[in-house]
Amino acid sequence: GNSVTQMEGPVTLSEEAFLTINCTYTATGYPSLFWYVQYPGEGLQLLLKATKADDKGSNKGFEATYRKETTSFHLEKGSVQVSDSAVYFCALSDPDYGQNFVFGPGTRLSVLP
Amino acid sequence: NAGVMQNPRHLVRRRGQEARLRCSPMKGHSHVYWYRQLPEEGLKFMVYLQKENIIDESGMPKERFSAEFPKEGPSILRIQQVVRGDSAAYFCASSPPGSRSYEQYFGPGTRLTVT
Repeated sequence: GNSVTQMEGPVTLSEEAFLTINCTYTATGYPSLFWYVQYPGEGLQLLLKATKADDKGSNKGFEATYRKETTSFHLEKGSVQVSDSAVYFCALSDPDYGQNFVFGPGTRLSVLP
Repeated sequence: NAGVMQNPRHLVRRRGQEARLRCSPMKGHSHVYWYRQLPEEGLKFMVYLQKENIIDESGMPKERFSAEFPKEGPSILRIQQVVRGDSAAYFCASSPPGSRSYEQYFGPGTRLTVT
């Protein structure tokens, strides 16, 4: 079945540091890939997405590129801020094999001033 | 355009009671999904519904849990005879009609605490 693996957290960085959160997936078909962010006490917000191989999703300084050859969708940001502290979830959607999303376990990011 | 609405945001139940969680999808959305998030874990799919139909309930526990999405009104996730292990955040998501939906929009969640 489909699955998503993320690097374990927590990740602690200083403000303005470079961020990478690794995400790899296993899928039967041709999924779309997503990053969601969850701030403390809140629901999930879509951060970015990519629907086919080599697509790059970007939003708020975050980027991720859909790499089919390595089955990866790593999240990157060049300079993190304290306000980026949250839990980040990688997810896939494979409509040909069901409508539900498959989420990774989440990676908690703490950015220190 | 209001987003996905869930209520209540917080719910406390004693063991053995029933919990009812409500979800109103975004306007124009006819697909609803329920997910459960245990503490420090990711979201796990529970059930996918369209109006008056359960499409996929492969993630629902076999006992005590049920879901509906009536023709009128919100979707309801019902948990009967709650136990401490049911304590979690329950998230609802919705997507527009169509045979393929690449995006789901999430509500703020209901945090259930069983004492």
